[in-house]
Amino acid sequence: GQQVMQIPQYQHVQEGEDFTTYCNSSTTLSNIQWYKQRPGGHPVFLIQLVKSGEVKKQKRLTFQFGEAKKNSSLHITATQTTDVGTYFCAGPRGGGSEKLVFGKGTKLTVNP
Amino acid sequence: DAGVIQSPRHEVTEMGQEVTLRCKLISGHNSLFWYRQTMMRGLELLIYFNNNVPIDDSGMPEDRFSAKMPNASFSTLKIQPSEPRDSAVYFCASSLVMGVGSGNTIYFGEGSWLTVV
Repeated sequence: GQQVMQIPQYQHVQEGEDFTTYCNSSTTLSNIQWYKQRPGGHPVFLIQLVKSGEVKKQKRLTFQFGEAKKNSSLHITATQTTDVGTYFCAGPRGGGSEKLVFGKGTKLTVNP
Repeated sequence: DAGVIQSPRHEVTEMGQEVTLRCKLISGHNSLFWYRQTMMRGLELLIYFNNNVPIDDSGMPEDRFSAKMPNASFSTLKIQPSEPRDSAVYFCASSLVMGVGSGNTIYFGEGSWLTVV
């Protein structure tokens, strides 16, 4: 079945360093979404990308959707301690399905 | 506006007991998802309802798990009998699905933390 793979699984950075997590799908996606889960919390929607090659920014966060719509990345510039958490990408299971398949996530820790 | 509401937030139960988790959707949403999260397997989709109808239950682990949606705003996930390997965080999430391929944001509840001893 359709899978969404994320790397790295863990990332530890010093505050102020940049961070990037990558997401790859085994199939072409109609859209990709990113979620953040704080420790002990629940996943919270960050953004959705729909178009091939799309780039969206939210303050220090930059999200990119690959040209082939099979991969995506999230880049955080100058990390802060508030960025700590697990970042998940999610894509529809099977074409335009409304069921989302989540990657395993990248757990980010930030050393102050 | 209230988000997705789940209960109980925490439950510790003995192996063999029945567990019932409850979820209230966001008003106006038409889709409900039950996810299970563990360290080993991450976030797994268990079952998905659209307009109260179960659309995909392929993620339900086995017959011990069952889910119902008796009305448009409420759902239950039942485990009977429970086993230690069912220990996990169970998230309910809801969404407003406008159409196939439209992309839909999923809003998660705070989760039910289940421990089966």
